[in-house]
Amino acid sequence: AQKVTQTQTSISVMEKTTVTMDCVYETQDSSYFLFWYKQTASGEIVFLIRQDSYKKENATVGHYSLNFQKPKSSIGLIITATQIEDSAVYFCAMREGSNYNVLYFGSGTKLTVEP
Amino acid sequence: DMKVTQMPRYLIKRMGENVLLECGQDMSHETMYWYRQDPGLGLQLIYISYDVDSNSEGDIPKGYRVSRKKREHFSLILDSAKTNQTSVYFCASSWDRGTLEQYFGPGTRLTVL
Repeated sequence: AQKVTQTQTSISVMEKTTVTMDCVYETQDSSYFLFWYKQTASGEIVFLIRQDSYKKENATVGHYSLNFQKPKSSIGLIITATQIEDSAVYFCAMREGSNYNVLYFGSGTKLTVEP
Repeated sequence: DMKVTQMPRYLIKRMGENVLLECGQDMSHETMYWYRQDPGLGLQLIYISYDVDSNSEGDIPKGYRVSRKKREHFSLILDSAKTNQTSVYFCASSWDRGTLEQYFGPGTRLTVL
């Protein structure tokens, strides 16, 4: 079974608006870590932001923030004031506390920011 | 500036040929990874290396082997490549197995004909 699921295959938004990308995960562990990565058109994969399961506050880095809803096993990525260069594929990922070896990735959401 | 490099960036091979993909990092990271990325499937873990000569299978190790003789260098080897190994391969590294963020290389696009 898929441990990390991203149901939105693609999203298109206008520049300077706010976009939310969805991600749900599945784990039995009480401790786990959630990540968002960005893959640009050139293929480069860049770490964006992380949420630790034991933290109640939503993580924020620059114009990226997370909507962590633990009871729903959901970790949404919010990008405010989107820019053209935010166009990319965004991957959600999870690392379980019991298995540090593996980073489970979702299938990605392609974001297109239109001028 | 932290950097993970991969060589070659593009490679075309015939079925049955051997393939060597190279990865390097200049950050003295202990842990390194090999992933493959196929359309619609995200990234799948092939192998992990915790340090020199300390390697562990990931989710899809069949058909692959790895070598790590120096901390800064991690190789992925396909003995007798198959057409279903056509994919984009990414190398990544992190400080140690307990460090959560991974830094990725630019990827190698391998085509097996």
